[in-house]
Amino acid sequence: GQQLNQSPQSMFIQEGEDVSMNCTSSSIFNTWLWYKQDPGEGPVLLIALYKAGELTSNGRLTAQFGITRKDSFLNISASIPSDVGIYFCAGYLSGTYKYIFGTGTRLKVLA
Amino acid sequence: EAGVTQFPSHSVIEKGQTVTLRCDPISGHDNLYWYRRVMGKEIKFLLHFVKESKQDESGMPNNRFLAERTGGTYSTLKVQPAELEDSGVYFCASSPNRGGYGYTFGSGTRLTVV
Repeated sequence: GQQLNQSPQSMFIQEGEDVSMNCTSSSIFNTWLWYKQDPGEGPVLLIALYKAGELTSNGRLTAQFGITRKDSFLNISASIPSDVGIYFCAGYLSGTYKYIFGTGTRLKVLA
Repeated sequence: EAGVTQFPSHSVIEKGQTVTLRCDPISGHDNLYWYRRVMGKEIKFLLHFVKESKQDESGMPNNRFLAERTGGTYSTLKVQPAELEDSGVYFCASSPNRGGYGYTFGSGTRLTVV
């Protein structure tokens, strides 16, 4: 089946640093989404991207939909302690009505 | 509006026992999804309901898993008999429409089979 390769698997960074993570696929998608999961909670949608090449921001978060439609990245600028959690990318292909998720990037922020 | 509610939040059962997970979607959301995350791996699709009908159950691991959504409201996912490899976090999600607009997820049920 389809798989998304998400990297890195985990990151330890200092508060104030910028963070970058990405997802790649062997298949194309119509939509890329980025979710964050806090401990004990379900994933929460951060950003949705609908067009190849699209660059979208949500506060300190910026995500891009790759030109080839097979990849996406998420950047977090000036990280703060509450950025801690697991970040998941997800790809969606029209007509399938389900998302393919990456394995997640666990982010830890050191104050 | 109330979010997606899942019960229980945690369950520890012995191999061979039966467990039933429940999900209450956001009121008015016709689409309900079950996903599962085994530790360290991706969140994997199990199945999709539109109202009370199963739209896609291609992700169900085997016939030990049974999902129902009677009346098109809440849904249950029963595992019978449970095996060790069934351990993981089971997420339910709902959305008002199909398509790539994002779901609202519940907090999940952490199932541990010992």
